[in-house]
Amino acid sequence: GENVEQHPSTLSVQEGDSAVIKCTYSDSASNYFPWYKQELGKRPQLIIDIRSNVGEKKDQRIAVTLNKTAKHFSLHITETQPEDSAVYFCAAPISSGSARQLTFGSGTQLTVLP
Amino acid sequence: NAGVMQNPRHLVRRRGQEARLRCSPMKGHSHVYWYRQLPEEGLKFMVYLQKENIIDESGMPKERFSAEFPKEGPSILRIQQVVRGDSAAYFCASSRSVGLGDYEQYFGPGTRLTVT
Repeated sequence: GENVEQHPSTLSVQEGDSAVIKCTYSDSASNYFPWYKQELGKRPQLIIDIRSNVGEKKDQRIAVTLNKTAKHFSLHITETQPEDSAVYFCAAPISSGSARQLTFGSGTQLTVLP
Repeated sequence: NAGVMQNPRHLVRRRGQEARLRCSPMKGHSHVYWYRQLPEEGLKFMVYLQKENIIDESGMPKERFSAEFPKEGPSILRIQQVVRGDSAAYFCASSRSVGLGDYEQYFGPGTRLTVT
């Protein structure tokens, strides 16, 4: 099954509203959870990350929360603006054979309607 | 500090030709990852390399695709005898030593491969 599941796959919000994207992961040893934003035709860019020793991290309008017991983490964007429209990917380090590396969720297309 | 560099940015190949995509990691990074992205789809992991070593190639198609990261020079993703289905954006990312928990990956601008 999926090692990192991401929901929803698409999300539309009105400008000024909040947006929440959720991810679950399977590997209980995962200890680092980044979020990437990819604008159309551009590269994925790291926007915020959290390590397992904290439950929440905030950077202006963006926050990430982590529930290690339930193995899920979420991205929260408040006061959304049209420039927040993009695809957002979560990731977690998952063990694959002898290696541990970031495994990405399937992405959420966020559209902020003016 | 230059970021991850990829070239070419755009590559057009006819069916049956070879495509070579290059990636230079960020300074101080020794781990390289290649991903493929089809239009409006997610990032599909292909291969993870360190210098002179393939660590995980579980996402690489068994035929026509190969990757290397030599002691000197960039990492190269090679696609032999390209077919139309290989048309995609290929992203490279780099990180420091994951053994120290440095999992952060930084992406290059990508190479957009078009097979005609």
